[in-house]
Amino acid sequence: DTGVSQNPRHKITKRGQNVTFRCDPISEHNRLYWYRQTLGQGPEFLTYFQNEAQLEKSRLLSDRFSAERPKGSFSTLEIQRTEQGDSAMYLCASTFVQGNGELFFGEGSRLTVL
Amino acid sequence: KQEVTQIPAALSVPEGENLVLNCSFTDSAIYNLQWFRQDPGKGLTSLLLIQSSQREQTSGRLNASLDKSSGRSTLYIAASQPGDSATYLCAVAGNNRLAFGKGNQVVVIP
Repeated sequence: DTGVSQNPRHKITKRGQNVTFRCDPISEHNRLYWYRQTLGQGPEFLTYFQNEAQLEKSRLLSDRFSAERPKGSFSTLEIQRTEQGDSAMYLCASTFVQGNGELFFGEGSRLTVL
Repeated sequence: KQEVTQIPAALSVPEGENLVLNCSFTDSAIYNLQWFRQDPGKGLTSLLLIQSSQREQTSGRLNASLDKSSGRSTLYIAASQPGDSATYLCAVAGNNRLAFGKGNQVVVIP
């Protein structure tokens, strides 16, 4: 088991471009989360999936953000028409909901919007 | 809404001293509490998980306590080493998500 995998690790883009991040959770983990972290702050909840169903979205997730988890395996987070305020680390985490609740995070995808 | 506070925000200690990191939360209706370590520019590494029914959890030099009624957790790191330099994040589980503090940034001076 290689843990939670995220890519790309770093993305630099110009304002107005679209970006997509991918997360591969630990196999057999049925719940997947996306968090966003800015410098000096703790991670903030964005959304989570139970299998393929997106069960909750934060108010932070504007209509420019969309997340999917087809077939309950990997997940993608797309940001359309990026703004400088979107610059942050995007963290993915997974857990087995019938287990002890421990959350495992990936290394994150750092987005810089110029 | 769950609010998580970590004090102090930053601290430096000489190598060999014990570290005491504090976390407080406003809503005691939690599922569990997790402590993470984060190195600069990296993701989060899980250190300890305490279930809401537990009072403490230990792993090697790390010990975490939980007082749910007062909304507090403390992470103790014994005999600190320069390799312990990192940011330590406290996260409280409830409502199907984790709420995080801003972290304790620790520097262990050789």
